[in-house]
Amino acid sequence: AQSVTQLGSHVSVSEGALVLLRCNYSSSVPPYLFWYVQYPNQGLQLLLKYTSAATLVKGINGFEAEFKKSETSFHLTKPSAHMSDAAEYFCAVTPSGGYQKVTFGTGTKLQVIP
Amino acid sequence: GAGVSQSPSNKVTEKGKDVELRCDPISGHTALYWYRQSLGQGLEFLIYFQGNSAPDKSGLPSDRFSAERTGGSVSTLTIQRTQQEDSAVYLCASSPPNRSGELFFGEGSRLTVL
Repeated sequence: AQSVTQLGSHVSVSEGALVLLRCNYSSSVPPYLFWYVQYPNQGLQLLLKYTSAATLVKGINGFEAEFKKSETSFHLTKPSAHMSDAAEYFCAVTPSGGYQKVTFGTGTKLQVIP
Repeated sequence: GAGVSQSPSNKVTEKGKDVELRCDPISGHTALYWYRQSLGQGLEFLIYFQGNSAPDKSGLPSDRFSAERTGGSVSTLTIQRTQQEDSAVYLCASSPPNRSGELFFGEGSRLTVL
């Protein structure tokens, strides 16, 4: 069984401030972990993924996430928020090796204040 | 190349009617998923097809929901005797055969049941 918990359904940051979106996972086997982004009125697209190589993963648009097994976390960060980062972000988990169900969190809506 | 295509993009129906939602995955992708996205509910897993294996139907909310995938490509999600609580965006995603677990999403079909 697998699940993800995203703390905070809404997060607000000022433009230029640090972005931190939290994701904790539960998995009975080593996981693959993902962050997806959904811009207003658009489909979801992959931001970054962890597939058991480097624990610090860099993605598009300056985002990165660190896999911490001891904390069962995969938090998403960006040093400096931009207005264009306003979107909904989803964390997802699947058992390593692929070919199995991908489970998503409930999402975190990021608001960037000018 | 073409992405995941879903139709219709919008569907308004009356309570009690049946609806069919269609998904054309990316060519060569072996896995296909259906999710339901309701306001504040994140992405709810519905069903997962992987190659010629039996589908994982564990997320279908009731026996009014069914899905098939013909020839390992196009998929149709059918909702019989629609209810107002079925109103949501239905998302389809496909995944390549590289075991990465990465999903490629369509734009979704927005269903409104009056």
